[in-house]
Parts: sequence; C-alpha cells; structure tokens
Amino acid sequence: NAGVMQNPRHLVRRRGQEARLRCSPMKGHSHVYWYRQLPEEGLKFMVYLQKENIIDESGMPKERFSAEFPKEGPSILRIQQVVRGDSAAYFCASSPPILLWGTDTQYFGPGTRLTVL
Amino acid sequence: AQKVTQAQTEISVVEKEDVTLDCVYETRDTTYYLFWYKQPPSGELVFLIRRNSFDEQNEISGRYSWNFQKSTSSFNFTITASQVVDSAVYFCALSLYGSGTYKYIFGTGTRLKVLA
Repeated sequence: NAGVMQNPRHLVRRRGQEARLRCSPMKGHSHVYWYRQLPEEGLKFMVYLQKENIIDESGMPKERFSAEFPKEGPSILRIQQVVRGDSAAYFCASSPPILLWGTDTQYFGPGTRLTVL
Repeated sequence: AQKVTQAQTEISVVEKEDVTLDCVYETRDTTYYLFWYKQPPSGELVFLIRRNSFDEQNEISGRYSWNFQKSTSSFNFTITASQVVDSAVYFCALSLYGSGTYKYIFGTGTRLKVLA
C-alpha cells in the first residue's frame, strides 16, 4: 500500500510564476490536508479537502493560493504569482473517513520544497 | 487558546545520553489527540506516536518513551541511550476535532543533535 505521494519533491520558480503542487492520498483515504512549513518553523495548517469539496480553508492566504481535490486525480495546491516569501516546504497529509475508521491519524507525504528565486 | 509549545529550540547531547523533549499544549476540548513526529535531515515527517486524551498511560517503544500528564498539559518524549541517527527535528502536535475532521496544531519543533 503506497503512502502519500507528492510531486515534485523540489520546485524552483521565479517571482511572478505559478507553482502547482500535487498530492495523491493513500489508497482509501478521502481526506486531504495541506500544511506549510516555513524555514526553521513548525507546520501550519492551510486547507482541508474532501473529494470535490473544500471543507476548511482557514489557514490559506486570501490571495494567490488555491486548492482543489477533484473527483479523479490528485489534490492540487496552486500558488499564483509566487513571491520569495512563498519559499517553504509544503506537506500534504491524508486520512481515512473519520466515522468509518474511528481514527484521526494523518499520514504525511514527503513534502514539496518550493524555492522562489 | 489552542497551541503547542516546545520551549527547547535545540538540544545537543553526546551519544548514549538520555534526552527528554518537552511538549506543553493548551486546549479547552476534552477530547483530543497528541502526536510526536520526527523530521530527519531528509525532510520527511515520520510518525512516532499517537495518544488520545483519555489514555494517560505512559508508553515505551524500544528506546523511546512518552510521559502524558493531563494535570500539567504535557506530553514529553524521552530517548534513552541516544544515537547519532536520532539527530532530527522533533515535532509535537495537538489534534482537535472540527469541521468534520481533526486539525493538527504543531509546535515549532526541537532540533536534537546527537554527537558521536
């Protein structure tokens, strides 16, 4: 059973370009979470999605950031017009449906390290 | 307020020493979960332990042990006989229910350096 997959592992963008980060959850997991880790800091929650729905985006910056989890395919975190301050590690996590499995453990992917030049 | 505090930014120990990483959390919820994750230099997050708020039993797994005390809102992590491979950043996290799922609140991490 493959773990949470993220790609690319490293992404370099110039200021003003768009960054697209992909996350494929573990098989059977319908909940996806995105976290951002700024250098020398802990992870901060950004957004929680289920298939085709954004459930909680309270941690997402209001501008330039968006996330989706389509019916088919991976979850995408998109950052438009990137700035140097967007340089960070972006982690995706997934979990099974809470009621079905009675667990809340989130399983993390390896992260995507975004560098904005 | 809901937060996790890891007051130790960085700890250095010599191999074979025991080391304890502190974690203090704040929440008014009665049901919550606590986690420890390890982030080695390669950057991924490695799950170490999950504990629910109703289970205050301490746990031991090999050289790792965890001390959960609700009275002091602490969930400390001890590595016995540390090894160089234990060098990593360790994160404590609090998981709270809301919006149909559990949201994690991470501490800022403790960087552990184990010297040979």
